[in-house]
Amino acid sequence: AQKVTQAQTEISVVEKEDVTLDCVYETRDTTYYLFWYKQPPSGELVFLIRRNSFDEQNEISGRYSWNFQKSTSSFNFTITASQVVDSAVYFCALSEAGRGSTLGRLYFGRGTQLTVWP
Amino acid sequence: DTEVTQTPKHLVMGMTNKKSLKCEQHMGHRAMYWYKQKAKKPPELMFVYSYEKLSINESVPSRFSPECPNSSLLNLHLHALQPEDSALYLCASSQEPYGQGDEQYFGPGTRLTVT
Repeated sequence: AQKVTQAQTEISVVEKEDVTLDCVYETRDTTYYLFWYKQPPSGELVFLIRRNSFDEQNEISGRYSWNFQKSTSSFNFTITASQVVDSAVYFCALSEAGRGSTLGRLYFGRGTQLTVWP
Repeated sequence: DTEVTQTPKHLVMGMTNKKSLKCEQHMGHRAMYWYKQKAKKPPELMFVYSYEKLSINESVPSRFSPECPNSSLLNLHLHALQPEDSALYLCASSQEPYGQGDEQYFGPGTRLTVT
């Protein structure tokens, strides 16, 4: 079963629009970590944010914000006033820390290709 | 400094060649990883080294042979590869030896083509 689901395969927006990338995860562990990575066309995965399961506080970093809701097992990512440079594939990922988990393993979603048009 | 470097950036090799991919980090991280990524897919974990010891091998074929000479370096030796092994190979590192909850920092990758 897929541990991380990113239902949106591709999203296209016009510059300055707000866009939300969805991420739904599945785990039985009470301690786990969620991540978002950005992969521009150059190929390098860029770390954006890490959240642990005990911290449901939403976070804002410039134009980026994240909404973590344990009740719906979601960790959504919003880009406000999108720019062409935001065009990339965005991956949501899960790391489990419970007993029997494979420590160090990141479970990636399939990614969402975001295209921002000028 | 959160830099992971990888060489070469591009590699074209024949099925009978032997080549190596190199990865280096100077962040003092104790866990290092190799991933394989095909086009339009997420990265797939291949190997994990913790404290320079192989801790995870995701049933990778023996034509891929990892090596961790020291805590800063990670190599991936390639031999007798198949065309389907063509992919982007990513190296990553994280602070804790078992990567428990730590973010992984990725290098720019080596784009490998097997002819």
